[in-house]
Amino acid sequence: DGGITQSPKYLFRKEGQNVTLSCEQNLNHDAMYWYRQDPGQGLRLIYYSQIVNDFQKGDIAEGYSVSREKKESFPLTVTSAQKNPTAFYLCASTPGGTEFFYGYTFGSGTRLTVV
Amino acid sequence: GDSVTQMEGPVTLSEEAFLTINCTYTATGYPSLFWYVQYPGEGLQLLLKATKADDKGSNKGFEATYRKETTSFHLEKGSVQVSDSAVYFCALPPTGGGNKLTFGTGTQLKVEL
Repeated sequence: DGGITQSPKYLFRKEGQNVTLSCEQNLNHDAMYWYRQDPGQGLRLIYYSQIVNDFQKGDIAEGYSVSREKKESFPLTVTSAQKNPTAFYLCASTPGGTEFFYGYTFGSGTRLTVV
Repeated sequence: GDSVTQMEGPVTLSEEAFLTINCTYTATGYPSLFWYVQYPGEGLQLLLKATKADDKGSNKGFEATYRKETTSFHLEKGSVQVSDSAVYFCALPPTGGGNKLTFGTGTQLKVEL
């Protein structure tokens, strides 16, 4: 079955470390997204990519970086510049195009904790 | 710009009670509308959608009717169960092009025995 796989499910980071969260999809979707969710909060967009080798900043991109070298992969790096990275991170994808909007498919999330 | 407003939670109900979670939107034209559900510790799942005005989306006993007159898409269920405890998000696709969904802030539902 097609879907989005996020790994790891739980991740612990020491102060000053960079960590990378994985997001892989086998849905053949063009567009991919990263969201951050804090306890009791809604979703905040970090980065998104509409096509391979291209990505745009979302609302809270500072302290994060991404790459989109392959259609199926959109890894997120949380750098040491992100001062409060403890959160739940969600990856999503959608087929892309503007003729009809199909909605997003989400991964199961990665919970990042600074220790 | 496009926006979605949801009622604040948490909403606490007894099992078998009637549920309404309000959602209103501001957008150009008549976009599709979505409800997503997030169970504890999981990602979001599409619950239901409506693609045009007066459409009713339904799934798992939940319903929502797209009302263009009131720009609303309220989520309802006649009899909630403990297993419905989750966070519910109303969402609006872009009306000016692109693929970025606009999400409401989410409404937490707690159902007690």
